[in-house]
Amino acid sequence: DAGVIQSPRHEVTEMGQEVTLRCKPISGHNSLFWYRQTMMRGLELLIYFNNNVPIDDSGMPEDRFSAKMPNASFSTLKIQPSEPRDSAVYFCASSLAPRGRGTEAFFGQGTRLTVV
Amino acid sequence: GDSVTQMEGPVTLSEEAFLTINCTYTATGYPSLFWYVQYPGEGLQLLLKATKADDKGSNKGFEATYRKETTSFHLEKGSVQVSDSAVYFCALSAMDTGRRALTFGSGTRLQVQP
Repeated sequence: DAGVIQSPRHEVTEMGQEVTLRCKPISGHNSLFWYRQTMMRGLELLIYFNNNVPIDDSGMPEDRFSAKMPNASFSTLKIQPSEPRDSAVYFCASSLAPRGRGTEAFFGQGTRLTVV
Repeated sequence: GDSVTQMEGPVTLSEEAFLTINCTYTATGYPSLFWYVQYPGEGLQLLLKATKADDKGSNKGFEATYRKETTSFHLEKGSVQVSDSAVYFCALSAMDTGRRALTFGSGTRLQVQP
């Protein structure tokens, strides 16, 4: 399996522009997570989906952020309008809902977003 | 809520030194515990895991034991290499509460000098 695939790897955009980050989870996984990583705040969970349904979006910072998962093999995270403080590395991860314990998540390479 | 506390970094060691990175947790349920590693410019990779008390996870010479009585999951390696330089994250997944998302610690940067 190719693992979790994110695109683009790097994105530089101007303040006020719309940004869309994309994620393809591992085939067969039914949970998908979006995390944001910054030096100041570390790794923060933004939202997660189970069977394509958003379960917990309490980490989404503002209404400018939205996430969708139209099918089991694709998810997007959109920021509109973008602001310089959104600059961070955004990770997508996926996992298989557990029958028992030990549900690790598999991470993509991340998208480094810079808003100028 | 659930939380993970890791020792502050950076941790700087000479090659072949012994490594310990402390991790303690707070969880409402009975969590599974993980260590992830992040190399520069890359995503997080699972290093090892433990799913019940007294379990020992191990991989690539790293070990960690799930200590329920002290709510700890300290990472150890007997002899570090330069290639082990990375950021290490302790994490938990509290299955009892149905929360599948991982809760991460703040990460500990390890620098190994030749």
